[in-house]
Amino acid sequence: GAVVSQHPSRVICKSGTSVKIECRSLDFQATTMFWYRQFPKQSLMLMATSNEGSKATYEQGVEKDKFLINHASLTLSTLTVTSAHPEDSSFYICSASRGHTEAFFGQGTRLTVV
Amino acid sequence: TQLLEQSPQFLSIQEGENLTVYCNSSSVFSSLQWYRQEPGEGPVLLVTVVTGGEVKKLKRLTFQFGDARKDSSLHITAAQTGDTGLYLCAGSVETNAGKSTFGDGTTLTVKP
Repeated sequence: GAVVSQHPSRVICKSGTSVKIECRSLDFQATTMFWYRQFPKQSLMLMATSNEGSKATYEQGVEKDKFLINHASLTLSTLTVTSAHPEDSSFYICSASRGHTEAFFGQGTRLTVV
Repeated sequence: TQLLEQSPQFLSIQEGENLTVYCNSSSVFSSLQWYRQEPGEGPVLLVTVVTGGEVKKLKRLTFQFGDARKDSSLHITAAQTGDTGLYLCAGSVETNAGKSTFGDGTTLTVKP
């Protein structure tokens, strides 16, 4: 399968600071990437759709000013959690689509806000 | 909002047994994916089904997409301890599998 790399895999930050998470498709170009959030023992919830060269589309209830998404190239999307608080602690996962029927996920980023 | 109900939520079986996980919805999906996720890692794609009635086999795993494209099942034959993990189904109604609605997952434990 295709490779999607996410960095960092784990990050601990202080409350009030911002954290950037990178998602790269290593062996294919992805015009669209997706960001998900997963709480412990729960399933994945779609946060936003990242579109190369245009603004991201956010799901209902997701604050676009808090979760900044930039899709600067066909292989890179970034998610910045601004002014992080403990309730933002979660597992964040990106995915990239190859064609219409295949999606590949990064390994995830465990964010802990202290 | 498309909802996917996955059952059972938890399943604990002995090595060598067979099992089936179900994924049901009232919505029609363009495609449906099955993933396996290990703790602390992202989901790994197992299979994508797109045609109603489609059956795909991946070694001991058999995946079926319902005729109406509203439901799917995953059957594992002769389970092994290495099959232990979280199994997720995800459906997409758009022509892009990346934008998916996920089921709640089935935590499978295969005991030696």
